[in-house]
Amino acid sequence: GQNIDQPTEMTATEGAIVQINCTYQTSGFNGLFWYQQHAGEAPTFLSYNVLDGLEEKGRFSSFLSRSKGYSYLLLKELQMKDSASYLCAHSGGYNKLIFGAGTRLAVHP
Amino acid sequence: ETGVTQTPRHLVMGMTNKKSLKCEQHLGHNAMYWYKQSAKKPLELMFVYSLEERVENNSVPSRFSPECPNSSHLFLHLHTLQPEDSALYLCASSQGRGPPSGPGSFTDTQYFGPGTRLTVL
Repeated sequence: GQNIDQPTEMTATEGAIVQINCTYQTSGFNGLFWYQQHAGEAPTFLSYNVLDGLEEKGRFSSFLSRSKGYSYLLLKELQMKDSASYLCAHSGGYNKLIFGAGTRLAVHP
Repeated sequence: ETGVTQTPRHLVMGMTNKKSLKCEQHLGHNAMYWYKQSAKKPLELMFVYSLEERVENNSVPSRFSPECPNSSHLFLHLHTLQPEDSALYLCASSQGRGPPSGPGSFTDTQYFGPGTRLTVL
């Protein structure tokens, strides 16, 4: 089967660092995506990992361990505008994304 | 703006109505998707089109009928819906490189539209 888990909610302070974890189980793997979704808006692409290791893009980094079925999204120097839902998704085949339920992040002053 | 537009943004319909959702992408992509997003549930893939051909139908009830007349446009025709179909319907597109499955198949980044908030009374 295919399963993907991430925490439902997280809170953090402006300027801090937060790590959002994602674990998955799949019979076929073609990469791991992270999307950001503000309330009432479209999900926007953040990162894609297909090989093990850390990918860094400015304040956001994403890590993948295929052997452990594990990924995390790291957000540094948090800003109020980072308050959003963060969606983890793995690809089990041709563009067939399986999404987690999302982690709602609240950033406080 | 992601280059993917959806209309209408909000829709209220009765269970006996027939309506259509429209999606248009201005990115030159070859693959388009419909997703359903219900409250506190994961995004669920409904349909995938590649080069106007449906390549995935994720056990969606027949009251949802997709149509892809060309690679830039995607429709979702709705009829005799149920209240539990109330949700945010998201369209996405991607480059659609490579074959649909097997060796060489590739996972593209999908770009989402703003969605249509559907309420079925």
